[in-house]
Amino acid sequence: DAGVIQSPRHEVTEMGQEVTLRCKPISGHNSLFWYRQTMMRGLELLIYFNNNVPIDDSGMPEDRFSAKMPNASFSTLKIQPSEPRDSAVYFCASRRRDSPTEAFFGQGTRLTVV
Amino acid sequence: GESVGLHLPTLSVQEGDNSIINCAYSNSASDYFIWYKQESGKGPQFIIDIRSNMDKRQGQRVTVLLNKTVKHLSLQIAATQPGDSAVYFCAENIPGGGNKLTFGTGTQLKVEL
Repeated sequence: DAGVIQSPRHEVTEMGQEVTLRCKPISGHNSLFWYRQTMMRGLELLIYFNNNVPIDDSGMPEDRFSAKMPNASFSTLKIQPSEPRDSAVYFCASRRRDSPTEAFFGQGTRLTVV
Repeated sequence: GESVGLHLPTLSVQEGDNSIINCAYSNSASDYFIWYKQESGKGPQFIIDIRSNMDKRQGQRVTVLLNKTVKHLSLQIAATQPGDSAVYFCAENIPGGGNKLTFGTGTQLKVEL
């Protein structure tokens, strides 16, 4: 299996622009997580889905952030408009229903907003 | 990779020594506690978990201890190797409503030759 695939690996954008991060979970996994990692806040859970349904989005920092999971093999995290403080590494992870503790992470997307 | 180590607690050990990484948690509703390892430029990777009704679990070269009285979790790595150098995170799984997986503050482990 190729693992969790995230794209792009790196994104540099100007403040005010829309940014879309993409994730393909491992086939057969029913949970998908979006995390943000910064030096100041560590690894923050933004939102997670079970069976393509958003379960908890309390970690989404502002209305500028939105996430979708239109099907079991694809999810997006969108930031509109982006701000310099959104600069971080964004990770997507997926997990099997019968293994709640073992999440498999992608390589992450390093976002820089200038 | 991400420079997560600049503000993280750091543990330096000599190769071959045992390492102990500690973590405090706050949520008593967690049913599992987990340790993840993150190498530079990569996403976190599962190491070992422990159910909340247990106090010790052993894996290959790793042991996790859980003290629910003081809400403390530790990861012991035996005979630490250079490949163990990474950031280690404790995590909790909160059941109900879909098994929410949250991570604590990481610890940077540096193995000195």
